[in-house]
Amino acid sequence: GIQVEQSPPDLILQEGANSTLRCNFSDSVNNLQWFHQNPWGQLINLFYIPSGTKQNGRLSATTVATERYSLLYISSSQTTDSGVYFCAVELNDYKLSFGAGTTVTVRA
Amino acid sequence: DVKVTQSSRYLVKRTGEKVFLECVQDMDHENMFWYRQDPGLGLRLIYFSYDVKMKEKGDIPEGYSVSREKKERFSLILESASTNQTSMYLCASSLTSIGYTFGSGTRLTVV
Repeated sequence: GIQVEQSPPDLILQEGANSTLRCNFSDSVNNLQWFHQNPWGQLINLFYIPSGTKQNGRLSATTVATERYSLLYISSSQTTDSGVYFCAVELNDYKLSFGAGTTVTVRA
Repeated sequence: DVKVTQSSRYLVKRTGEKVFLECVQDMDHENMFWYRQDPGLGLRLIYFSYDVKMKEKGDIPEGYSVSREKKERFSLILESASTNQTSMYLCASSLTSIGYTFGSGTRLTVV
């Protein structure tokens, strides 16, 4: 099956700092999404981004499909950004394959 | 915005009980999914459905069944709950071009 690798596994930030999370995948995909899992366990959809660049407030994402990677940028981080960030990809069979996640801790 | 609602946030059941986890989506999505999430194992697909009365096994279907009688509702059934089914269960629906939307999850404890 497809391999999805996220880095770094853990990230500790001071409030206000910027950071970049990376997702590498091993095959061509139809879909790529970034999710944030909050402390209560809910997966919040951040971006649907099979290719190109999108921005939503302090977050932005870029996927370079031809090189099989995606980046999630967090700018001016806040404590509410803490949680686990997952990258997930879909081949052509409806199913999402998840990376192991990056745990982000933002300290005040 | 699409809303996916799971019937219970927390659930405690006894070993051997039949357990129903309900999931409802408020858009006209064809595809619905059940995942479980466990520390160190990540998210694993249990079952999915791409249409009413249609179902496909995911990666870990053993011990589970599903029902989709109406487009908006997808139920996960634990035929005889066991302690190794203690987990976080996440339901999702999807539509091509907007991707997946997840519910808030159900933390199931089997004692």
